Amino acid sequence: ETGVTQTPRHLVMGMTNKKSLKCEQHLGHNAMYWYKQSAKKPLELMFVYNFKEQTENNSVPSRFSPECPNSSHLFLHLHTLQPEDSALYLCASSQDPGPTDTQYFGPGTRLTVL
Amino acid sequence: DAKTTQPPSMDCAEGRAANLPCNHSTISGNEYVYWYRQIHSQGPQYIIHGLKNNETNEMASLIITEDRKSSTLILPHATLRDTAVYYCIVRDTGGYQKVTFGTGTKLQVIP
Repeated sequence: ETGVTQTPRHLVMGMTNKKSLKCEQHLGHNAMYWYKQSAKKPLELMFVYNFKEQTENNSVPSRFSPECPNSSHLFLHLHTLQPEDSALYLCASSQDPGPTDTQYFGPGTRLTVL
Repeated sequence: DAKTTQPPSMDCAEGRAANLPCNHSTISGNEYVYWYRQIHSQGPQYIIHGLKNNETNEMASLIITEDRKSSTLILPHATLRDTAVYYCIVRDTGGYQKVTFGTGTKLQVIP
């Protein structure tokens, strides 16, 4: 257990559905991240939040909408996704978003878009 | 970011030490070496990190060469649960720091 939980662990959705991924960290960290890991591709950073403020958006399509209501919770709202969005979505947290702050990852949500 | 090079796969007998090498010849002076591992379809797990000195924690030891161009992760007594892909990464120092994984080393611990 890393102190970062994600729900659901598996999600299957159609292209017209709207769903949300949830991440919660119990580590007292200030920074939270969303990553996408596709098969045979490197880990891709999507969003960074520091003290609830979005500090980085790596050119992510608008069909992915993050929300960070507080430092412990992070959501990823999904709508009108494409099959190529099928991937493992990982949440991570760190004390601060600095170069030497260790990021701790959750178990991920395996998303399949039909 | 400094690039890292790792062998694609390694085998290790259960109970023996697993030594995983990593080459990072273009590392700069203030960049840290981090190791994570990822068991199939699970989230990456932090193992250890270091700058110049060798480091040890309850999971592993990290040996960094004096010129910092390479490092070795040592799992002292490998178990079957250590079978995973091990990633050696170098954290750059600009902006908000993403974790960038390369292809890693697939470690297979054999009974």
